[in-house]
Amino acid sequence: LAKTTQPISMDSYEGQEVNITCSHNNIATNDYITWYQQFPSQGPRFIIQGYKTKVTNEVASLFIPADRKSSTLSLPRVSLSDTAVYYCLVGERGNSGYSTLTFGKGTMLLVSP
Amino acid sequence: GAVVSQHPSRVICKSGTSVKIECRSLDFQATTMFWYRQFPKQSLMLMATSNEGSKATYEQGVEKDKFLINHASLTLSTLTVTSAHPEDSSFYICSARPGSGANVLTFGAGSRLTVL
Repeated sequence: LAKTTQPISMDSYEGQEVNITCSHNNIATNDYITWYQQFPSQGPRFIIQGYKTKVTNEVASLFIPADRKSSTLSLPRVSLSDTAVYYCLVGERGNSGYSTLTFGKGTMLLVSP
Repeated sequence: GAVVSQHPSRVICKSGTSVKIECRSLDFQATTMFWYRQFPKQSLMLMATSNEGSKATYEQGVEKDKFLINHASLTLSTLTVTSAHPEDSSFYICSARPGSGANVLTFGAGSRLTVL
């Protein structure tokens, strides 16, 4: 299983763009990169998933370089409600079976006024 | 979108009793569900993979006789913490994959277990 490494915590202010980088040096060819958000005492919520280059949805963007050994979650103009823990996971997206998704330590993002 | 419902959200029990937590996929069928445990200020730890119609697969270090998992239908998996002790107090979260072609999990809201 590909291991992920993220910063333990990050601080930001409302309205700023936040970029959280995740390292996954031994990512496998069939692995996709998925980010989740978790608020205290709640289950994680899917944010975005990608395989290479750039993916954007209404919530965030995900940048993946060509070697795929890292990825960056970009949150535009964060608000106080974006204060949460963000997890980066890698796992296979295959029709014959899925690799178990293992959570790393995550990044605690604190957004201040 | 896909919804996973978990019940109860909070439960307090006495030491030595058993507690059952239910996990339901509301608008999709899930042949596989996953149970996680999360201690305060820590990450989620996968406990077991629940397979519909067959035995669950437990992660190393998780006692299968203590954490009984039953996946009797395509929309329901249950986790029973047997003979609970204070050290079993934790946040238990279930999840499932809503569809094929994407390794994306939908999580329940979690169940906070407190053992007195």
